Amino acid sequence: RKEVEQDPGPFNVPEGATVAFNCTYSNSASQSFFWYRQDCRKEPKLLMSVYSSGNEDGRFTAQLNRASQYISLLIRDSKLSDSATYLCVVNRNQAGTALIFGKGTTLSVSS
Amino acid sequence: GAVVSQHPSWVICKSGTSVKIECRSLDFQATTMFWYRQFPKQSLMLMATSNEGSKATYEQGVEKDKFLINHASLTLSTLTVTSAHPEDSSFYICSARGGHQPQHFGDGTRLSIL
Repeated sequence: RKEVEQDPGPFNVPEGATVAFNCTYSNSASQSFFWYRQDCRKEPKLLMSVYSSGNEDGRFTAQLNRASQYISLLIRDSKLSDSATYLCVVNRNQAGTALIFGKGTTLSVSS
Repeated sequence: GAVVSQHPSWVICKSGTSVKIECRSLDFQATTMFWYRQFPKQSLMLMATSNEGSKATYEQGVEKDKFLINHASLTLSTLTVTSAHPEDSSFYICSARGGHQPQHFGDGTRLSIL
């Protein structure tokens, strides 16, 4: 089983749509969780950390369910500029250890 | 914010050449650096974890004699792809962290072996 699994998509949505991405991870010892965004042929950039209580940053909401080892990202009011690949990322075990990336979910927002 | 510089950003070499990629933390001391590789339409795959002054820890399936990692200072780690072949063509990305800093990624190096 892969350490981090995501639906690769692609998700093709119109502007203004709400879209949700899901992710599962296999290592119950993981302690830190993130969503990264990667544009084509670029390095990944941190979008937001994910906390157990759930957290929101503008149009983006992330949630974590430790019992189910499940992470989600919700994007509201999609913009054209949101088109990218969204990577679910967990650290291997203790905080500060290597980040393990999911394969990514591709989002394409059209006008 | 913290910056990680990676050099070169693009390399095209003949098969059999050894290629060195540098990863520098510009405004913090990176006690740990990570090297990742990403093939087209694939995820970033961790290759190795490097702690300053220690030997790198390689992931399963990554040949340590093929991918030489040196982390001799708190601001510089290098990855050398020895005798590179076309199947080594990939996007190589480093990341660095130090103290309570989160990981910061370099811009990546696109390696093409002809």
